[in-house]
Amino acid sequence: NAGVTQTPKFQVLKTGQSMTLQCAQDMNHNSMYWYRQDPGMGLRLIYYSASEGTTDKGEVPNGYNVSRLNKREFSLRLESAAPSQTSVYFCASSDFIGGTTNEKLFFGSGTQLSVL
Amino acid sequence: KNQVEQSPQSLIILEGKNCTLQCNYTVSPFSNLRWYKQDTGRGPVSLTIMTFSENTKSNGRYTATLDADTKQSSLHITASQLSDSASYICVVSARGKGNNRLAFGKGNQVVVIP
Repeated sequence: NAGVTQTPKFQVLKTGQSMTLQCAQDMNHNSMYWYRQDPGMGLRLIYYSASEGTTDKGEVPNGYNVSRLNKREFSLRLESAAPSQTSVYFCASSDFIGGTTNEKLFFGSGTQLSVL
Repeated sequence: KNQVEQSPQSLIILEGKNCTLQCNYTVSPFSNLRWYKQDTGRGPVSLTIMTFSENTKSNGRYTATLDADTKQSSLHITASQLSDSASYICVVSARGKGNNRLAFGKGNQVVVIP
């Protein structure tokens, strides 16, 4: 019963470096999401994928790219990391199928990213 | 802009005591309201989801209430345990939108002490 698995759990980058955060879910969910959580702020949506083959921008997409590799996997890439991207990143999934809004979100354990 | 405000920001309670957390929102048109529990170093876990027609929902020692007229919700924790120490996040969804349009509160930080 793994649910949503994120890797790595911790990462330190220098400004300008690139990296990819990996996320996989084993619940056969259609939708997947990337959020960031900063101190004193609510979770903010970076990108989401409503279904395999589609991706869309969320509230704070600048500086990030995503890939929905298949139904299970959704990766988040930082091409040129900046200190402002220091945050905790959460991947989530749900079985949302357009038109209803009661689907439960299942979150991974998070990636603590520091950009120096 | 749709907003979710939670109070108190943090509180300390004695093990075995009850507490109530508040959530006020301005999301419109309203679809549902969710409470999540987030343990330190972990992702949020769903506690309850309430739609417009529901005014109370329980999950074990957690009871959520909703007043859609006043746009207020509360989460009541009964007979608190040390494992209840966590951040409790109120999340509101607008009607006609999916999970990509959720409004998150900043959380209520609860510390339960022996």
